[in-house]
Amino acid sequence: QKEVEQDPGPLSVPEGAIVSLNCTYSNSAFQYFMWYRQYSRKGPELLMYTYSSGNKEDGRFTAQVDKSSKYISLFIRDSQPSDSATYLCAMSAFDTGRRALTFGSGTRLQVQP
Amino acid sequence: GAVVSQHPSWVICKSGTSVKIECRSLDFQATTMFWYRQFPKQSLMLMATSNEGSKATYEQGVEKDKFLINHASLTLSTLTVTSAHPEDSSFYICSATSSYNLYSGEQFFGPGTRLTVL
Repeated sequence: QKEVEQDPGPLSVPEGAIVSLNCTYSNSAFQYFMWYRQYSRKGPELLMYTYSSGNKEDGRFTAQVDKSSKYISLFIRDSQPSDSATYLCAMSAFDTGRRALTFGSGTRLQVQP
Repeated sequence: GAVVSQHPSWVICKSGTSVKIECRSLDFQATTMFWYRQFPKQSLMLMATSNEGSKATYEQGVEKDKFLINHASLTLSTLTVTSAHPEDSSFYICSATSSYNLYSGEQFFGPGTRLTVL
């Protein structure tokens, strides 16, 4: 079983729709949670960063973390064709001393105009 | 802020040659840099972690003699693929973190280098 599970998609939605992207994880030591957006043939771009449980909002993006369920989400409101990309969840633990991120496999999102 | 560059953005080489990829943090000091490879439609696979002035720590299954990593300064790390073969063709991405993000794990990624070995 992978440490981080993410549905690879593709997820196709019409422009303006609310998009929900999710990841589950098994390592209870994870405390820092990130969402990256990656366009084709480009490096990942940090979108959202959350520490521990709770919500964080930035413009059209909302990140939620539920540590009790080991479940994180990214919501995109009023989705645009420019949001079409692969979204990667990533997480890290504080106590292990290992600074590397553990990534999900990524969800490919297509927003149809 | 937190900009990371990579050079070259793409490279084509003949089998058996060596290729060097540079990763630079442009506006911050990168105490730790990471090297990933990514195959089409797959996620990032961590290859190694390097701290400035120290030897890199390689992930299991990554050949340290084939993928040479040097992190000689706080703004530059290099990955050299030695004696490249077609199976080394991939997208190589570096990332960096500063002392400010030391414990959170927040990383800033370069744009990637596409390597094609003929």
